[in-house]
Parts: sequence; structure tokens; C-alpha cells
Amino acid sequence: EPEVTQTPSHQVTQMGQEVILRCVPISNHLYFYWYRQILGQKVEFLVSFYNNEISEKSEIFDDQFSVERPDGSNFTLKIRSTKLEDSAMYFCASRRGSSYNEQFFGPGTRLTVL
Amino acid sequence: AQKITQTQPGMFVQEKEAVTLDCTYDTSDPSYGLFWYKQPSSGEMIFLIYQGSYDQQNATEGRYSLNFQKARKSANLVISASQLGDSAMYFCAMREGRSGANSKLTFGKGITLSVRP
Repeated sequence: EPEVTQTPSHQVTQMGQEVILRCVPISNHLYFYWYRQILGQKVEFLVSFYNNEISEKSEIFDDQFSVERPDGSNFTLKIRSTKLEDSAMYFCASRRGSSYNEQFFGPGTRLTVL
Repeated sequence: AQKITQTQPGMFVQEKEAVTLDCTYDTSDPSYGLFWYKQPSSGEMIFLIYQGSYDQQNATEGRYSLNFQKARKSANLVISASQLGDSAMYFCAMREGRSGANSKLTFGKGITLSVRP
């Protein structure tokens, strides 16, 4: 069964460094999302992406964040200058199309900012 | 106001028994969708079940069913015949508006379920 994959599973970085989190959504899916979950807290929406552009973003998704779909398979989240409070689990999700409701999540990338 | 409220701090159930996990929601949009996800200790988010606001019948998926009470704005998850592998965190989530590009999910804080042998 196709699934969303994410790399790396765990990323440790120093404050102020740039990180790129990578996702490969399910191949025939059209809508892509990033969420994050700070340890022990609820999952929060960051950004949605469709037709090669951002369709919605939350207040968390400020100028330090960007997303890209550089080719037909990858979907990346870049944090330009990481802060301590960016430490969280980052989930990528994809959805097949507007007639489909389910968002399928990847296994997550745990980002630790030191 | 919280859009999704999950107030049960932790639930325990005996193996093979049924358990209900509570979720209430708040929206003024007549079109919305409700989701339940399971998060085991390994961390991944597993989609369980979906209920649309216009669906006439309660959703069911195997051992999972959703007790949808629209007037009370509740969408409780019922797990029948609990198994040890059901021990996990369970999140209720909502999509407001029709399913489209802007279909972000808003999650509740989650409920921890522990299944006792």
C-alpha cells in the first residue's frame, strides 16, 4: 500500500542553522500539507500546497519557513534560521484530490534545535 | 474558543471490551468533516475514520465507529473489542468548509488510551 515517506527521521541542528525536511507524498496525490507537533502537545497546521503554490498558511508559518516541490515527487519544508522553539515533530501529509477527505500522514521528522 | 475539545485525560479499557473516546467540536460552518487519528508510541499518525457533516449515517470502519450527534456537536469514537495494539494517543480533528485545497485539519489535544490485558 502506498505511503507518505519522510527523511530524515531525526534531525539535530544548532540554533540559527538552516534545515530542510523532505517528504515524498503518495504518487497520485494532489494536495500536500505540513503540520508540527511540539512534544506532548496537539498537532498544528503549518501550510497547505496545491498546484505548485501555497493555498493556506498558519501564523506559525512566518518568513523563516518555506515550502517547495522541486520535482514531481518531493515536497520540502525549509526553516531558514532555526530557533529553540522550532523543536518539534514535523509531519507531512497528502490527499488524493478534492473529492477525497482523508489526509495521509508520513511518519514524521523529529527536529531538535540545540 | 477551542474548535476541538477532548477532555478525557487518559482512558483505560480491558482487552476485548468496547471503549468510547469523546470529542466535541465548535464551528459555525454548515459544511465540515470530522476525523480520528491514532498515534502509537512510535509517533506516526494513522487515519482511522471520517464523518462528513451531511452524512446521514454514522461512519464505521472495522472495529471503529463514530457516534455522530450533530445537534450536540459531538463525534465520539467507539472502539469495539479492544486489543493491546489499540494502546495509543487518539486525536480528533476537524476540517471546516467543503473539501478543497484549503482543507487544513484542526486537532484536539488528544486522549491516551491504555488497553489492559
